[in-house]
Amino acid sequence: AQTVTQSQPEMSVQEAETVTLSCTYDTSESNYYLFWYKQPPSRQMILVIRQEAYKQQNATENRFSVNFQKAAKSFSLKISDSQLGDTAMYFCALYNNNDMRFGAGTRLTVKP
Amino acid sequence: KAGVTQTPRYLIKTRGQQVTLSCSPISGHRSVSWYQQTPGQGLQFLFEYFSETQRNKGNFPGRFSGRQFSNSRSEMNVSTLELGDSALYLCASSTPDRRGDEQYFGPGTRLTVT
Repeated sequence: AQTVTQSQPEMSVQEAETVTLSCTYDTSESNYYLFWYKQPPSRQMILVIRQEAYKQQNATENRFSVNFQKAAKSFSLKISDSQLGDTAMYFCALYNNNDMRFGAGTRLTVKP
Repeated sequence: KAGVTQTPRYLIKTRGQQVTLSCSPISGHRSVSWYQQTPGQGLQFLFEYFSETQRNKGNFPGRFSGRQFSNSRSEMNVSTLELGDSALYLCASSTPDRRGDEQYFGPGTRLTVT
């Protein structure tokens, strides 16, 4: 069975600083996809960043980047220059074989 | 393109009743997935439909069922509601093959069971 673990239930960061959210996963597959989704308070869940397991290069989307360590089964999200609008629940997710699993989420608060 | 829509947005039901939730995917998307989100259990996968067929199913009791129509719209039904079914039910659609493609989420239906 696939599992996704986010060990940090809550985190906070000062505006303009950098924060890293952790995610570890377990799967027996070699080809899979990893995602970070963001769910702002009372708003829809949206994709932040996506990583294909067969690609060694870490994905980057503007201020968001990942550190993908395939051997360690680790997929952390780094948010640079944090903004108040980054305040949200962040979910790490693993997909393969039509099976999508989410972690429990990390509640991130950006403080002014 | 219009986003994923879910109706109703809010629902209050009594224990023992049944409920049907609806999801309209983004035009052209043929895969629809349903999730249950609760503070205690987080996001849990219910099932996925692709081209009117259930392609994958999570670990939920048979009281939870779904279907997909030829226009890709999907419905989810919960029979004999229990207090523990109170949750935000999210629907997500994705591109035809969904081989690791992004899922687009709807706003959810907030179900309260009293």
